[in-house]
Amino acid sequence: DVKVTQSSRYLVKRTGEKVFLECVQDMDHENMFWYRQDPGLGLRLIYFSYDVKMKEKGDIPEGYSVSREKKERFSLILESASTNQTSMYLCASSSSGTPGNTIYFGEGSWLTVV
Amino acid sequence: AQSVTQLGSHVSVSEGALVLLRCNYSSSVPPYLFWYVQYPNQGLQLLLKYTSAATLVKGINGFEAEFKKSETSFHLTKPSAHMSDAAEYFCAVTTGSSNTGKLIFGQGTTLQVKP
Repeated sequence: DVKVTQSSRYLVKRTGEKVFLECVQDMDHENMFWYRQDPGLGLRLIYFSYDVKMKEKGDIPEGYSVSREKKERFSLILESASTNQTSMYLCASSSSGTPGNTIYFGEGSWLTVV
Repeated sequence: AQSVTQLGSHVSVSEGALVLLRCNYSSSVPPYLFWYVQYPNQGLQLLLKYTSAATLVKGINGFEAEFKKSETSFHLTKPSAHMSDAAEYFCAVTTGSSNTGKLIFGQGTTLQVKP
């Protein structure tokens, strides 16, 4: 089975802190994604990466950055956390090349910024 | 640009009743369509997907969905609801022009199953 692991399930951070959300996948997937999930808004794409060191902005990149130094690991960084970034964050991965490939999700990271 | 609209943020059915969750999409090119389920405090799990083969797609847990191009719809159904079906359901779209396969999601529909 494909495994997407998000290292932190629940975090509480203070406003202004730098926050790292880590994600690791074990299927040698080229594509990795970070989504944010909020009630009534569904999932919105923050950033995605289609190869090591390659990244593209999604629909809501403001206030976030990402890092992909190794193929299996994709990190989401909040440079200076704010209360409006309190949310559920979902990491996902998929293989490239064939349209319609399944995207596999991690369990999610609940971030509260106080 | 693609988009997905899920009609009804909350749907309530009785156990044993038909489940119908509605999804309409907008895409200027042939779409690939997905239904995901999210149980409380968990990530998303793929239920089924349409990738331009058969228009009636069968998924896990007895769910199925039918792609109707003329109606731009991909509604999810299950003949008989079970208590364990209570969850949030997301419809999503991507297109063949996107090699990365990034998905655009609908707002989600919460399914409540009453005993």
